[in-house]
Amino acid sequence: KAGVTQTPRYLIKTRGQQVTLSCSPISGHRSVSWYQQTPGQGLQFLFEYFSETQRNKGNFPGRFSGRQFSNSRSEMNVSTLELGDSALYLCASSRGADPHGIFGQGTRLTVV
Amino acid sequence: DQQVKQNSPSLSVQEGRISILNCDYTNSMFDYFLWYKKYPAEGPTFLISISSIKDKNEDGRFTVFLNKSAKHLSLHIVPSQPGDSAVYFCAASAEWNMRFGAGTRLTVKP
Repeated sequence: KAGVTQTPRYLIKTRGQQVTLSCSPISGHRSVSWYQQTPGQGLQFLFEYFSETQRNKGNFPGRFSGRQFSNSRSEMNVSTLELGDSALYLCASSRGADPHGIFGQGTRLTVV
Repeated sequence: DQQVKQNSPSLSVQEGRISILNCDYTNSMFDYFLWYKKYPAEGPTFLISISSIKDKNEDGRFTVFLNKSAKHLSLHIVPSQPGDSAVYFCAASAEWNMRFGAGTRLTVKP
């Protein structure tokens, strides 16, 4: 059974640019959650999608957005990148009825 | 939005001794609690969980305790092993709302 796949693994962007990250959940999982991990802040919840609908959203500015496709794959987009957006972005998938999310390896974004 | 707090950023214990990691939460709506372990360059992996209707759950060397009145949970690892060295995150969930703590880096010394 393939795990949660996040692409790309590493990314370097310039301030002001935008970026799109992708997450392919485990087959059969309909929920995808996104988190930002920075040193000292732990995992900050961005948003959660279930069956193409955003069910929950964390306290991030509108520059952070996401979507989910009919095959449950999800993308998150960050526009007008800032230096402080440099972080490890993790997604987790689950069936949706249980909170045991399985995480991908993450995308490490560096904004210069 | 610090609904889940892990106040100790790091913990160091000797191999064979007990490791106790603590977590506090503020939202009384949370009804399910989880611990994840994270190694560098990997995503967090699920370790153990507990429902709010219980006060203790054991799985091998790992035990999670929940004190609902104090809004506090802890993870006990006995005996600690060097391979347990990692960052441990506690998480609290209510329906589809999951919040994580900042993590505690555990170092188990041989």
